[in-house]
Amino acid sequence: AQSVTQPDIHITVSEGASLELRCNYSYGATPYLFWYVQSPGQGLQLLLKYFSGDTLVQGIKGFEAEFKRSQSSFNLRKPSVHWSDAAEYFCAVGDNSGGSNYKLTFGKGTLLTVNP
Amino acid sequence: DTGVSQNPRHKITKRGQNVTFRCDPISEHNRLYWYRQTLGQGPEFLTYFQNEAQLEKSRLLSDRFSAERPKGSFSTLEIQRTEQGDSAMYLCAFGDRGPQHFGDGTRLSIL
Repeated sequence: AQSVTQPDIHITVSEGASLELRCNYSYGATPYLFWYVQSPGQGLQLLLKYFSGDTLVQGIKGFEAEFKRSQSSFNLRKPSVHWSDAAEYFCAVGDNSGGSNYKLTFGKGTLLTVNP
Repeated sequence: DTGVSQNPRHKITKRGQNVTFRCDPISEHNRLYWYRQTLGQGPEFLTYFQNEAQLEKSRLLSDRFSAERPKGSFSTLEIQRTEQGDSAMYLCAFGDRGPQHFGDGTRLSIL
């Protein structure tokens, strides 16, 4: 069964500092991977996704993520954090096999706080 | 604008009552997903439609839950005889390759 671990429950960074959110997955075949952001009381917004090809993926709002098969990781990065980035971030892994329904398994999330 | 409309946004009901939620994707997409999210957790998969066919249901979806997607457009999720443990945010999402567009969800509170 596929699973996702987000080791950091809560991270606090200063505005303008760099950010890295960790994500480790467990999946038997080639996964496809997503990062989402969720503000309080709202649904999830897709930041970026990886299906295949270039392992460095660019997303919206200046975010990027790197797929490292050897480490089973898909960490999210941003070079300079803005106060508006404060939110909860979810990593998710899905089945990329033929005939897949593309359902996702989510991690428990990382809450990001940004200090002025 | 998420591209997905969910109604109602918040539902408060007494234990034992039936509730129904609705999800309207703004544009046509083959795949539609329902997820449930409890406080402090990530979303958990409930069920999946391809067009009007419900192709997979999670074991989380007890026989008190039923979902439909008539005509392959909007979808409804009904919970019968609600229990305290049903309190959660219910999220609808669509996308051709995975749930890429989520609605803002319906928050269910059981009194």
